[in-house]
Amino acid sequence: GNSVTQMEGPVTLSEEAFLTINCTYTATGYPSLFWYVQYPGEGLQLLLKATKADDKGSNKGFEATYRKETTSFHLEKGSVQVSDSAVYFCALRKNTGGFKTIFGAGTRLFVKA
Amino acid sequence: EAGVAQSPRYKIIEKRQSVAFWCNPISGHATLYWYQQILGQGPKLLIQFQNNGVVDDSQLPKDRFSAERLKGVDSTLKIQPAKLEDSAVYLCASSLALGSQASYNSPLHFGNGTRLTVT
Repeated sequence: GNSVTQMEGPVTLSEEAFLTINCTYTATGYPSLFWYVQYPGEGLQLLLKATKADDKGSNKGFEATYRKETTSFHLEKGSVQVSDSAVYFCALRKNTGGFKTIFGAGTRLFVKA
Repeated sequence: EAGVAQSPRYKIIEKRQSVAFWCNPISGHATLYWYQQILGQGPKLLIQFQNNGVVDDSQLPKDRFSAERLKGVDSTLKIQPAKLEDSAVYLCASSLALGSQASYNSPLHFGNGTRLTVT
């Protein structure tokens, strides 16, 4: 079946450190891939997306590249800020059938000043 | 644009009681989703509507959960009777109509959720 696996958290970094959150997926066909972010007390919001192989999604200094050969969509940021502290969810959406969106378990990020 | 609206924000009930949650999606979004997010886990899809029809309810515990989307706009999710394991955040989301070319690039837009505590 379709699934998303993320690295377990929490991840604790100092401000200006480099961030990588790993995400791999299992899916038939060609899903769209997303990263969502959830700040405390809020719902999820889209961070970035990629809809086909080798696409790079980017937003707010975050980047992720759709790698079909390794079925991965790792999230990176060169220099994190305290305000980036949140939970990050990797997700895939099948673009056939029911178009279901499936989420990973989430990775909590703490950034220290 | 106005976001997805959900109410109430918090709800505390005793087991075996009933509870209902309400959601108003973004105007023009034909697809509406209810997700259950248990603490420390990712959201799990309960039910997905396109307009007022059900697209997927395979993970909805139909013996106690029900949902409707009359007139293809607002939606309510009900739990009756509630169990302790239903304690979670219930998220509503909406998106453009599925199956359209635009939908391939259309993300989900989430409300802030309803935090349910069953005691």
